[in-house]
Amino acid sequence: KAGVTQTPRYLIKTRGQQVTLSCSPISGHRSVSWYQQTPGQGLQFLFEYFSETQRNKGNFPGRFSGRQFSNSRSEMNVSTLELGDSALYLCASSEPPAMGDEKLFFGSGTQLSVL
Amino acid sequence: GENVEQHPSTLSVQEGDSAVIKCTYSDSASNYFPWYKQELGKRPQLIIDIRSNVGEKKDQRIAVTLNKTAKHFSLHITETQPEDSAVYFCAANLIKAAGNKLTFGGGTRVLVKP
Repeated sequence: KAGVTQTPRYLIKTRGQQVTLSCSPISGHRSVSWYQQTPGQGLQFLFEYFSETQRNKGNFPGRFSGRQFSNSRSEMNVSTLELGDSALYLCASSEPPAMGDEKLFFGSGTQLSVL
Repeated sequence: GENVEQHPSTLSVQEGDSAVIKCTYSDSASNYFPWYKQELGKRPQLIIDIRSNVGEKKDQRIAVTLNKTAKHFSLHITETQPEDSAVYFCAANLIKAAGNKLTFGGGTRVLVKP
């Protein structure tokens, strides 16, 4: 099976712009979660989608949003970008029933730089 | 919400020695504790996990111990090798019908010196 695929690999944006990142999970995986990775803050949970519904949400402002499509592909959107949003954004998928104790399979991430 | 603290932030060991990383969590309801390894420039990968009904789990050179009363868990790597050099993240979660919401520790950068 193909692994978790994230596009694009790199993005450079300026403050105030918005950005959309894409994640294709492993075939058959219905849970997709998103994490922000920064050198100072480690891995921080953004949100999780399962069967097109947001099931869990982390402590990020409303500028961070996401969605999941019927084929389990997920997108996250960040509006009104700030310098502090520069980070590696990782998505991860897991096998059903995705109750919280399954192995997460991570993508390679999207490196976002906000100038 | 859950908070996970991880220590030390960096750890340098001689090849063949043991390495120990410790994590504490705040939510006594958490019952699933995985460890992920992230090599430089690569994606995190699960190396071992433990559930709260188990006190210790071992897989070859790595082991994890859990103390529910003290709310801490540790990763032990024995006979370290250069390929063990990476950043290690502990995490905590509550197993329930509502899925994945892992809270990660800040990470430990392990350097194994040959």
